[in-house]
Amino acid sequence: AQKITQTQPGMFVQEKEAVTLDCTYDTSDPSYGLFWYKQPSSGEMIFLIYQGSYDQQNATEGRYSLNFQKARKSANLVISASQLGDSAMYFCAMREGRYSSASKIIFGSGTRLSIRP
Amino acid sequence: GAVVSQHPSWVICKSGTSVKIECRSLDFQATTMFWYRQFPKQSLMLMATSNEGSKATYEQGVEKDKFLINHASLTLSTLTVTSAHPEDSSFYICSAPIVRAEAFFGQGTRLTVV
Repeated sequence: AQKITQTQPGMFVQEKEAVTLDCTYDTSDPSYGLFWYKQPSSGEMIFLIYQGSYDQQNATEGRYSLNFQKARKSANLVISASQLGDSAMYFCAMREGRYSSASKIIFGSGTRLSIRP
Repeated sequence: GAVVSQHPSWVICKSGTSVKIECRSLDFQATTMFWYRQFPKQSLMLMATSNEGSKATYEQGVEKDKFLINHASLTLSTLTVTSAHPEDSSFYICSAPIVRAEAFFGQGTRLTVV
């Protein structure tokens, strides 16, 4: 069963607008972590933001915020004031269970975000 | 933050030859490294987990004899694609275990088998 679902294969957004990238997940473990990564055409994986399952507040990192709705099992990424440099592939990912050195991360299928000037 | 260096960043090889990809943790010791494969326009799929001093753990469907993984030291993990074929052409990327709330990735290796 797919554990991380990203339903938007591609999105186009006007520069300076806010954009929300959807992510839903499935796990029976009460302890887990959720990540968002950005992958530009170069292929590198750029860490954006992290949300732990027990975190009381939604994570924020500069222009990035994570809309964590635990009951709905969703972890949407919100990018405020989008910039041309935000054009890239975005992956939602999850770590099941408590953190350990053996913790695996599994990825969603990704959303390609394109920012229009 | 932790730095993971992956080499080479790209490689072209002839069908039937073997290719070795290195992943080094530069400023920390890693008892575990993860290897992913990414086909064009697809997601990252976990191939295997390398363990320092012991055998790698492969995900279901990944050929152990095809993708040899060695974790020689606490700072070096290698992936060798043996007898490479064009269908092995892909983007391979390693990652270090999660430190606090972040996993650190190498730069990735784009393999083209001709």
